[in-house]
Amino acid sequence: AQKITQTQPGMFVQEKEAVTLDCTYDTSDPSYGLFWYKQPSSGEMIFLIYQGSYDQQNATEGRYSLNFQKARKSANLVISASQLGDSAMYFCAMTGPLSGIQGAQKLVFGQGTRLTINP
Amino acid sequence: GAVVSQHPSRVICKSGTSVKIECRSLDFQATTMFWYRQFPKQSLMLMATSNEGSKATYEQGVEKDKFLINHASLTLSTLTVTSAHPEDSSFYICSARSRDRGLVNYGYTFGSGTRLTVV
Repeated sequence: AQKITQTQPGMFVQEKEAVTLDCTYDTSDPSYGLFWYKQPSSGEMIFLIYQGSYDQQNATEGRYSLNFQKARKSANLVISASQLGDSAMYFCAMTGPLSGIQGAQKLVFGQGTRLTINP
Repeated sequence: GAVVSQHPSRVICKSGTSVKIECRSLDFQATTMFWYRQFPKQSLMLMATSNEGSKATYEQGVEKDKFLINHASLTLSTLTVTSAHPEDSSFYICSARSRDRGLVNYGYTFGSGTRLTVV
């Protein structure tokens, strides 16, 4: 079964510094997708970045990059030049088992990391 | 881009009453809808998966008669919390899976969530 582990319950970073949020995963499937979401206090889930298991290059989206180390089964999120607005809960997720009548892959989430950016 | 409208955003109801939460995909067809529950400072827990015109598939431990899910069309799925009690107070959020993989957000679009308080 798929499993996502985020070992950092909380992170505190100074504004403008880079921050790395850790994520390790476990799966026996050769094909999978990895996601990072940001959840501010309002509760909405904001999609940040995606990495496919067969992607050769690490994904990047603006200030976000994903450090994908397949052999180590890690998919750390790197936020460059952090901003006060980056303070939020961050979830790592991966595609998991099929669910529902039509067999869509559900997402398996990690426990989350609460990131606080200090001015 | 793909948008899922979730209503209401907040609801307070009396113990014993039922509450309906709606998720509508505004500009795409949601072949699958995932319903999650999230307790404070915890991760998202998948409750059930619904497909248009079919019975929902519930995760182990989720009461089917308590959490009624209806996926009436390719753009509307509803979650009804029946005979709500204070322990049902939580944040509920839906995620729509589009028919076409690789759509915006790599196929998973979240609603903005509903904060339910049962008094």
